[in-house]
Amino acid sequence: GAVVSQHPSRVICKSGTSVKIECRSLDFQATTMFWYRQFPKQSLMLMATSNEGSKATYEQGVEKDKFLINHASLTLSTLTVTSAHPEDSSFYICSAHTGTSAYEQYFGPGTRLTVT
Amino acid sequence: DQQVKQNSPSLSVQEGRISILNCDYTNSMFDYFLWYKKYPAEGPTFLISISSIKDKNEDGRFTVFLNKSAKHLSLHIVPSQPGDSAVYFCAASGDGQNFVFGPGTRLSVLP
Repeated sequence: GAVVSQHPSRVICKSGTSVKIECRSLDFQATTMFWYRQFPKQSLMLMATSNEGSKATYEQGVEKDKFLINHASLTLSTLTVTSAHPEDSSFYICSAHTGTSAYEQYFGPGTRLTVT
Repeated sequence: DQQVKQNSPSLSVQEGRISILNCDYTNSMFDYFLWYKKYPAEGPTFLISISSIKDKNEDGRFTVFLNKSAKHLSLHIVPSQPGDSAVYFCAASGDGQNFVFGPGTRLSVLP
């Protein structure tokens, strides 16, 4: 099946610094990628939808200047958490959509961000 | 190697009947499980969860069963409704924070 990777899997950073998380579709071209935030024992929260070559669409309540998303190619989307704070500590998951079917969406393994 | 498997990529059920979605996992350290429902172009919606200290959890039409010895869980939807047509993902965790997702099963409920 289709594979989506995320890098890094875990990152610890200091408050005030920026962190970049990469999401790659390894064996298919992803026209759309989604970024989620997972809270402990709660549902995934969709943060934004990233379309290749265009600006990301952010969900209500998500600060676009804080969570910068770039979908530069059909296989790579990046999420940059700028000026990170401890409350940004979370599990971030991306998923990639193949475009051939609305149901075909593959999740990455997630990135655990800890801001100290 | 997939740690969480959903071996049926799709399932069709008649309205009013029971839908049973299955999920298998390989990591014996997993002790918390979630089911998500996802419509096209939307984020997943949390449905129901179960921890390893239980073997059943029920919420309205949705019931999740956990068989730890078989490393198997299932989601039952009774009665199935057309609005239940979506992709269902199971997810597993060993720490309640980091989750591994299955590939999903597409459920179609036929009127």
